[in-house]
Amino acid sequence: EVQLVESGGGLVQPGGSLRLSCAASGFTFSSYWIHWVRHAPGKGLVWVSRINSDGSSTSYADSVKGRFTISRDNAKNTLYLQMNSLRAEDTAMYYCARGGRDGNSVAFDIWGQGTLVTVSS
Amino acid sequence: QSALTQPASVSGSPGQSITISCTGTSSGVGSYNLVSWYQRHPGRAPKLMIYEVSKRPSGVSIRFSGSKSGKTASLTISGLQAEDEADYYCCSYAGSPVFGGGTKVTVL
Repeated sequence: EVQLVESGGGLVQPGGSLRLSCAASGFTFSSYWIHWVRHAPGKGLVWVSRINSDGSSTSYADSVKGRFTISRDNAKNTLYLQMNSLRAEDTAMYYCARGGRDGNSVAFDIWGQGTLVTVSS
Repeated sequence: QSALTQPASVSGSPGQSITISCTGTSSGVGSYNLVSWYQRHPGRAPKLMIYEVSKRPSGVSIRFSGSKSGKTASLTISGLQAEDEADYYCCSYAGSPVFGGGTKVTVL
């Protein structure tokens, strides 16, 4: 079965750090761009970050640039999101989503179930 | 990143057709055929309904269709059903992916 499974969310104080993971199975992970998308309570979906198939190219939303780092380990079929200097406004459900083989694709066809990050004192 | 504008809510009766608009910029929606639509039921992960403006992934009902004119993309749901009640988001590429604010679809 083709799937993505996120983990690593939790409660963290403002200014703290978390590392999210996204484990892939059922497809050739190393062939696809993978994205992080978040959904804050009562708000809409927001694209956060993306990484190309071999990890050599990354990009970020302005709201997280300089604080979040996306990476991947293709040998372990796993995507990561290191989140530092967390703020209350980063509170959200974080999803990893499979993009295409092309970085311009916005057809995210496989999504994980999400992992909840809560930033609060 | 540029914003995509969607109506906050759209409603219709069972069997009717509704259309959700998604307005971007000439350098985003207007320049690329890279528009997708997602359905999200509360507490569930988003589901891809339409990609590249008008293509339907395998398994998505033919009642869902997409189109684009200029810098406005649209999602039409025909034969509205109770299970279509959800939030819908457009997404486009403008240097990086950007989502619209979402539209709540209510089946009356």
